[in-house]
Amino acid sequence: DAGVIQSPRHEVTEMGQEVTLRCKPISGHNSLFWYRQTMMRGLELLIYFNNNVPIDDSGMPEDRFSAKMPNASFSTLKIQPSEPRDSAVYFCASTVLSRRDTQYFGPGTRLTVL
Amino acid sequence: TQLLEQSPQFLSIQEGENLTVYCNSSSVFSSLQWYRQEPGEGPVLLVTVVTGGEVKKLKRLTFQFGDARKDSSLHITAAQPGDTGLYLCAGENTGNQFYFGTGTSLTVIP
Repeated sequence: DAGVIQSPRHEVTEMGQEVTLRCKPISGHNSLFWYRQTMMRGLELLIYFNNNVPIDDSGMPEDRFSAKMPNASFSTLKIQPSEPRDSAVYFCASTVLSRRDTQYFGPGTRLTVL
Repeated sequence: TQLLEQSPQFLSIQEGENLTVYCNSSSVFSSLQWYRQEPGEGPVLLVTVVTGGEVKKLKRLTFQFGDARKDSSLHITAAQPGDTGLYLCAGENTGNQFYFGTGTSLTVIP
């Protein structure tokens, strides 16, 4: 039984480039979350979807960040243009609807912006 | 604003020792969770507590939710090297906002 799948696992890019992170939630889950983790700020919720619809994007740092969920099995987080301060580990998590107390996390994407 | 403060931030102990990690807030939470995260991986849920004063045990780990539902503690008995990791509390407050704590990095030395 596959867990949450994220790709790529590691991404190194230069400042100004577009970055797209991908997530496949656990089959049957209908809530999906994007988080960012840094040493300074810990684990921060960026945005979450219920039934593919964005519910709360108040954690998205600025307009350079956007997230989509075109269907129940796929979501993307895009940063355009990327900046060095975006360097972090980005996690995707999924759960059944409104069970934010039981989230299943993917392995994360470590992003380095030079 | 960090609603869930954890202490200590770092903890290094010898195998066999006991330890307690704290998660504190000024807000009331409808439920609180504890996760463990190992290097290079995502957090994994250990337990959820929902009732004030609730105590749950998971082998050598004991979790307690404060009576006022504003704080929680995690106690590990006879720590083992396999307990090493980042321990995160998380919760949803009565305003339906969800937060993770600042984390406690535990190292158990063989």
